[in-house]
Amino acid sequence: AQSVSQHNHHVILSEAASLELGCNYSYGGTVNLFWYVQYPGQHLQLLLKYFSGDPLVKGIKGFEAEFIKSKFSFNLRKPSVQWSDTAEYFCAVNAHSNYQLIWGAGTKLIIKP
Amino acid sequence: DAGVIQSPRHEVTEMGQEVTLRCKLISGHNSLFWYRQTMMRGLELLIYFNNNVPIDDSGMPEDRFSAKMPNASFSTLKIQPSEPRDSAVYFCASSLAGGRETQYFGPGTRLLVL
Repeated sequence: AQSVSQHNHHVILSEAASLELGCNYSYGGTVNLFWYVQYPGQHLQLLLKYFSGDPLVKGIKGFEAEFIKSKFSFNLRKPSVQWSDTAEYFCAVNAHSNYQLIWGAGTKLIIKP
Repeated sequence: DAGVIQSPRHEVTEMGQEVTLRCKLISGHNSLFWYRQTMMRGLELLIYFNNNVPIDDSGMPEDRFSAKMPNASFSTLKIQPSEPRDSAVYFCASSLAGGRETQYFGPGTRLLVL
């Protein structure tokens, strides 16, 4: 069965620190990859997505993610975080042959001011 | 362009009562997903509709839950009778292309069953 693994459930950083959140998936075929963000008390919003092409994807608010097919990974990065980045981040994968998004468990990111 | 619209945003009810949650899709989208989010279980897919037809309802917890799409732009999720363990945030999301495209989420309904 397909699965998505987010390595860290909680991450605490200081402002201006660099961020990398891990995401690995288990599926051998062609995939669409997503990162969603959920700010406290709000709904999920799309941060960035990869369907095809350049494996380095840039999203909103300075976030980027790199798809490494050989490692089945789609890690999220930001060079310098801000207090307003405090949120929960979800990685999701969708096989081209399937409608269903497989969700990771989420990573709660806390940025200390 | 309006996003996904959900109502009510908050619902507090007593055990045994019927609860109806509503969702309006983004215009032109043909896929609708209902999710439930709790601290314990995270984000769970309850049911998926494509072109008004339920395709996968394997995530619906039990017979107390039912969902409908009376037309292409609107859906309801009903819980009857409600129980305290149904307390959660319920999101609906819509997308194009049978769900293989980006899912756009509504603001959610925060349900508390006493």
